[in-house]
Amino acid sequence: GENVEQHPSTLSVQEGDSAVIKCTYSDSASNYFPWYKQELGKRPQLIIDIRSNVGEKKDQRIAVTLNKTAKHFSLHITETQPEDSAVYFCAASTTGNQFYFGTGTSLTVIP
Amino acid sequence: GAVVSQHPSRVICKSGTSVKIECRSLDFQATTMFWYRQFPKQSLMLMATSNEGSKATYEQGVEKDKFLINHASLTLSTLTVTSAHPEDSSFYICSAREPTKSYGYTFGSGTRLTVV
Repeated sequence: GENVEQHPSTLSVQEGDSAVIKCTYSDSASNYFPWYKQELGKRPQLIIDIRSNVGEKKDQRIAVTLNKTAKHFSLHITETQPEDSAVYFCAASTTGNQFYFGTGTSLTVIP
Repeated sequence: GAVVSQHPSRVICKSGTSVKIECRSLDFQATTMFWYRQFPKQSLMLMATSNEGSKATYEQGVEKDKFLINHASLTLSTLTVTSAHPEDSSFYICSAREPTKSYGYTFGSGTRLTVV
């Protein structure tokens, strides 16, 4: 089955700096890679996703890059704000099927 | 957008009793729903895939006799934790995919189960 690894497990940045979270996956059949933000005790919220036919996608301060050959994808948050503090999960999936999640990154943005 | 309702949000039960968690798709029909478990400060782990009208598919290591899944209608899947023990205490979350969208997954709000 799919194995998704995520690094780092914790990340602290100063407000205004950038944050980068990286994930690798093992199953070459995976073709959909969402990123979720989860606040304590709440459901994961989709913040951005990318499909295998695209190398990069950007939405305001958030961007995701995908390298299919190397089987890794990354989340980039620029101009971080305190409200970005949360746990972020990457996931990998094949179309219409279940997600396999990374181990999570606890991001703290220091005001 | 698509809404998935999950109940209860919190439940405390005594060891040895059973607990049922419901996951409903409110504005779409979900032929497939997924059940995840999340221990504190850990990731979401897929437990099983629930298919309407057929048996659920369980991930390796998940006891099918302990975690009973029923997907009797296109809008409802239930997870029953049977003979619950303290080690079953966890956050359980369901998700469903809108059938018209290849990537339109929606998560329920989650259920915090505490077994005492």
